[in-house]
Amino acid sequence: EAGVAQSPRYKIIEKRQSVAFWCNPISGHATLYWYQQILGQGPKLLIQFQNNGVVDDSQLPKDRFSAERLKGVDSTLKIQPAKLEDSAVYLCASSLEYTEAFFGQGTRLTVV
Amino acid sequence: AQTVTQSQPEMSVQEAETVTLSCTYDTSENNYYLFWYKQPPSRQMILVIRQEAYKQQNATENRFSVNFQKAAKSFSLKISDSQLGDTAMYFCAFANFGNEKLTFGTGTRLTIIP
Repeated sequence: EAGVAQSPRYKIIEKRQSVAFWCNPISGHATLYWYQQILGQGPKLLIQFQNNGVVDDSQLPKDRFSAERLKGVDSTLKIQPAKLEDSAVYLCASSLEYTEAFFGQGTRLTVV
Repeated sequence: AQTVTQSQPEMSVQEAETVTLSCTYDTSENNYYLFWYKQPPSRQMILVIRQEAYKQQNATENRFSVNFQKAAKSFSLKISDSQLGDTAMYFCAFANFGNEKLTFGTGTRLTIIP
């Protein structure tokens, strides 16, 4: 069974630029999550999708972050414009209903 | 809101020894799940063990076991016969029953010394 795929693995951008991350969940998983993991901290949920609807985006900085999940499968997380404090690892995870979440390998973003 | 606290930023132990990682949490819910995740340098979070709060019996998975104290809101992970491949960051996490959204602690960096 293929796992959660994320790309790119690494990204370096200058502040005020825009960036997008892509996630392909495990086939059949209805729930998809984006987490932000700042160095030295545990992951923090940014947004949770159930199929293509948003369940929870209370921690998403909506003035600069946006996310979508087209057709209830792939998802894209965008940051525009990026700030230095956005430097982090962005983890995507997916799950079937009421089961464990499987994580991708994440995208390490460095904003300079 | 739920909180998860890991008070040991770093730990190290000799190979083949036993090590215990601590975790406490705060919640007003009665039904929930607790997890320990391992994050190696590859960054991928790997589930180590899971405990349902309504189960009194502590979960075990091969060399990994937990000590779940619901009244004390404590959830420690014991790794027996530690191996070099156990070197990683370990995160304790909480999820409400019926929602897999995870709240993580700050992690413990575990190093197994040859």
